[in-house]
Amino acid sequence: QVQLVQSGAEVKKPGASVKVSCKASGYTFTGYYMHWVRQAPGQGLEWMGRINPNSGGTNYAQKFQGRVTMTRDTSISTAYMELSRLRSDDTAVYYCARDYAAAGTGGANWFDPWGQGTLVTVSS
Amino acid sequence: EIVLTQSPATLSLSPGERATLSCRASQSVSSYLAWYQQKPGQAPRLLIYDASNRATGIPARFSGSGSGTDFTLTISSLEPEDFAVYYCQQRSNFLFTFGPGTKVDIK
Repeated sequence: QVQLVQSGAEVKKPGASVKVSCKASGYTFTGYYMHWVRQAPGQGLEWMGRINPNSGGTNYAQKFQGRVTMTRDTSISTAYMELSRLRSDDTAVYYCARDYAAAGTGGANWFDPWGQGTLVTVSS
Repeated sequence: EIVLTQSPATLSLSPGERATLSCRASQSVSSYLAWYQQKPGQAPRLLIYDASNRATGIPARFSGSGSGTDFTLTISSLEPEDFAVYYCQQRSNFLFTFGPGTKVDIK
């Protein structure tokens, strides 16, 4: 079955960077966009961007432009999200989520399934 | 940016009752709206996409309707596992946004 397994929790100081990984299995990794969504404690969901694992092409939410970098390693079916210049309000659970439709269709930009989430805590 | 508003914020119901959740967009999103369910400590799960299509494996008691700016998620008869938070999401112009959520809790 399709599964996304993310890396473990991180604690970072303000101004640092964090890189979260998302290992995919159960499907053709290069065939579906991978999205990243975050959720601050007790808050709602916020889309950060997506990557086409086949081409490496990315689309980022304007809010995160210049601070986020999404990459992938197709040899190990893993997507990465790196967020730099961390602030306290970046404290959140970060999720990877596969697009619901194949990239060949342009993607659906609906998100399913999701990884288990990675808690990133930014604190001095 | 398209803003999604969900109502009510909390819905208190008993198992077996019908739940009706609302999502309103600040401008038309056509039928490009999805619904997700999130239980405590878990990742969200896609329930409905393109306003009215059930995702794979989603029970028939979940249904979605609407277009333009007004959308509804209906759970025809609440099961114990349906008590959760529900989010709507739109996918317009790479500014994908979510609503603030509706919590369905046990009365």
